[in-house]
Amino acid sequence: AQKVTQAQTEISVVEKEDVTLDCVYETRDTTYYLFWYKQPPSGELVFLIRRNSFDEQNEISGRYSWNFQKSTSSFNFTITASQVVDSAVYFCALSEVVVDKIIFGKGTRLHILP
Amino acid sequence: GAVVSQHPSRVICKSGTSVKIECRSLDFQATTMFWYRQFPKQSLMLMATSNEGSKATYEQGVEKDKFLINHASLTLSTLTVTSAHPEDSSFYICSARDRVSYNEQFFGPGTRLTVL
Repeated sequence: AQKVTQAQTEISVVEKEDVTLDCVYETRDTTYYLFWYKQPPSGELVFLIRRNSFDEQNEISGRYSWNFQKSTSSFNFTITASQVVDSAVYFCALSEVVVDKIIFGKGTRLHILP
Repeated sequence: GAVVSQHPSRVICKSGTSVKIECRSLDFQATTMFWYRQFPKQSLMLMATSNEGSKATYEQGVEKDKFLINHASLTLSTLTVTSAHPEDSSFYICSARDRVSYNEQFFGPGTRLTVL
């Protein structure tokens, strides 16, 4: 069965600090997609990244970076030099290619303090 | 990127009434749309998958007679909450899968339902 675990329920850091959000997943499939979404207070989901299971290269996009390690079934997300606008709930999610419904983790609420 | 809209964005209704929420793909065709529900400070839980022209597939524990889903066209799916009760108050989010880019799902902005 599919499962996504985000062990960190809530994190608070001071602005400009780096912060890493952890994500561990479970799936029996060899082909799957992993996602990160941001949900600000408005509620709308903001797509951040999609990674397929065959691409283990780390990704960097501005202050955001992702570390995908199949050996540990983890897909961690790091924000460098955090800003107050990064405050939101972040969801890690998993989708198996054939079934394709997205399974979300419980989310990590991130507070960036000025 | 592709845009998915939802209407209304917010709705308040009395207990016992029915509420319809629309999900539209604005610039692409969606053979499949998904409906999620999110209770306050909780994660998104998939309620059902709807395919254009066929019956929706509901997740375990979701009452299909209470949450009626219609996917009548490639750009529109509707979720009707029948005989709504306060416990149905939630944030409902739809997503649509692009017919062309099969593995891309695009999320709508959500509808906040409050049942008094």
